[in-house]
Amino acid sequence: NAGVMQNPRHLVRRRGQEARLRCSPMKGHSHVYWYRQLPEEGLKFMVYLQKENIIDESGMPKERFSAEFPKEGPSILRIQQVVRGDSAAYFCASSPARGSYNEQFFGPGTRLTVL
Amino acid sequence: AQKITQTQPGMFVQEKEAVTLDCTYDTSDPSYGLFWYKQPSSGEMIFLIYQGSYDQQNATEGRYSLNFQKARKSANLVISASQLGDSAMYFCAMREGGDNDMRFGAGTRLTVKP
Repeated sequence: NAGVMQNPRHLVRRRGQEARLRCSPMKGHSHVYWYRQLPEEGLKFMVYLQKENIIDESGMPKERFSAEFPKEGPSILRIQQVVRGDSAAYFCASSPARGSYNEQFFGPGTRLTVL
Repeated sequence: AQKITQTQPGMFVQEKEAVTLDCTYDTSDPSYGLFWYKQPSSGEMIFLIYQGSYDQQNATEGRYSLNFQKARKSANLVISASQLGDSAMYFCAMREGGDNDMRFGAGTRLTVKP
């Protein structure tokens, strides 16, 4: 049973380019969460999605960032016109359902470096 | 307001000894879950242990145990018989019953000395 998969594991972009981060949840999981981890900090929630729906994007920057979880295929976190401050590790997690009793299983993360 | 507080930026422990990593939390929701994750230098987040707010007993998973003191709102992680491979960042996290996200503490960097 494969875990949460993220690709690419490492992504280098120049300022102004677009970054696309992909996340495939664990089999049977329909809930996806994206977190950002700045160097030497804990993870910060960005967005929570179910298939074809954004449920909570309260942690997403208002501009340049978007996320989707289509009916088919992985969840995508898209960062347009990247800036150096976007350099971070981006983690995706999935869970089978909501609720405090459900652990979120994390992917290995994508490390974005903006030059 | 900070929901999860980890007051120890760094901790050292001798191999084979036990170590306690502190975590306090803040919530008014009676239903919540507390989690500990390990993040080694390779970067992945590894789930260690979970404690539910209604659980009567402290959670244990192998060498990991969670010292859950509900009245004090603390959920300290105890690692027994430390191993060199335990050297990593450790994050405490909380998920409240009505929330979609997990709130993470700033982490504690544990170094196990031979």
